[in-house]
Amino acid sequence: AQTVTQSQPEMSVQEAETVTLSCTYDTSESDYYLFWYKQPPSRQMILVIRQEAYKQQNATENRFSVNFQKAAKSFSLKISDSQLGDAAMYFCAYRSLASGGSYIPTFGRGTSLIVHP
Amino acid sequence: GAVVSQHPSRVICKSGTSVKIECRSLDFQATTMFWYRQFPKQSLMLMATSNEGSKATYEQGVEKDKFLINHASLTLSTLTVTSAHPEDSSFYICSARGGPNQPQHFGDGTRLSIL
Repeated sequence: AQTVTQSQPEMSVQEAETVTLSCTYDTSESDYYLFWYKQPPSRQMILVIRQEAYKQQNATENRFSVNFQKAAKSFSLKISDSQLGDAAMYFCAYRSLASGGSYIPTFGRGTSLIVHP
Repeated sequence: GAVVSQHPSRVICKSGTSVKIECRSLDFQATTMFWYRQFPKQSLMLMATSNEGSKATYEQGVEKDKFLINHASLTLSTLTVTSAHPEDSSFYICSARGGPNQPQHFGDGTRLSIL
């Protein structure tokens, strides 16, 4: 079974600064997706960024980028120029692409990001 | 982008009441819908997976007679919490996707409070 570990329950960052959220995962599969989701106080889960495991290039989405280290099974999220609206819970998720699989994502425990003005 | 609508957003009711939560995919056909439960400051716990037209697959420890799931169409799934008790109070989130390799889209969630 796959596991996703987010070792930082809470992180703080000053507005306009950069912060990195950590995520590691355990799998024996070679094909999978990795995701970062944001859950603001309004509680709706929003997809921030997605990474296909077969792609060596790190995914980026505006101020959000990932550092995907497949061999190390690490998938960190970097938020640049942090904004007050970035304050939220961030969940890392893994989804298998194995043939015959259910493709159900496994979520980490989440990291609460606090942004100080 | 794809939108998933979940209704109601908040329910407060007496113990023993049955509560129905709806999850609709507004602009795509959702072959698979998921129901999650989330406790405060916790991750999402998958309760069940439902595919249109077939019975839901429940995760271990989730009572299927307690949490009835119906996925009668490609755009609608419902979760009914039967004879709800205070311990059922939680935040329930649905999500939907069009196919195995399609992104998963989440509803806004339902805050259920049983008095």
